[in-house]
Amino acid sequence: QAVVTQEPSLTVSPGGTVTLTCASSTGAVTSGHHPYWFQQKPGQAPRTLIYDTNDKHSWTPARFSGSLLGGKAALTLSGAQPEDEAEFYCLLSYNGTRIFGGGTKLTVL
Amino acid sequence: EVQLVQSGAEVKKPGESLKISCKVSGYRFATYWIGWVRQMPGKGLEWMGIIYPSDSDTRYSPSFQGQVTISADKSISTAYLQWISLKASDTAMYYCVRHEVFDYWGQGTLVTVSS
Repeated sequence: QAVVTQEPSLTVSPGGTVTLTCASSTGAVTSGHHPYWFQQKPGQAPRTLIYDTNDKHSWTPARFSGSLLGGKAALTLSGAQPEDEAEFYCLLSYNGTRIFGGGTKLTVL
Repeated sequence: EVQLVQSGAEVKKPGESLKISCKVSGYRFATYWIGWVRQMPGKGLEWMGIIYPSDSDTRYSPSFQGQVTISADKSISTAYLQWISLKASDTAMYYCVRHEVFDYWGQGTLVTVSS
């Protein structure tokens, strides 16, 4: 089974920009992996921010964007806010099954 | 309004059986895949599997195949996650989610397995 890897932790200054990445052990991440990005705050259910690489839900703040970057899926936060501090997970699709990354703890400091 | 409402927290002993539920409202249940996600205490999310309620087509993660059973009852718009014999390592929060774009999540069901 594939392994999906994310940075364990990142720190961003308020108002700053940060990019979280999501890599696949099988090779380059493509649109065919239908990358998803989720935000989870302590004690809450996950919330989906991005689906199919770069599509947003109606509740996704405009400061979040998804892309493919250097063979990985990427989530970019531009203009970080204190309330963005959370755990972020990516999810990739593999022939009918799905695999989550291990998560990135994002600190806004 | 779309809602996925999960059954309440459970405390069980090792070896016991359990079936938790996810009741859906606000859309046509049969025509969207429903998924289950596990989160062990202090750990990340794990994709367990999905079901298409219209025909009960079910897919499992290899990690969970044979360990749990996912089912659905169209007549009451409810999906289920079931164990025949629980282990302490099944202690976790379990979430159901409307699967295609993961737009709606249940609130989670905490399962605690302890002797």
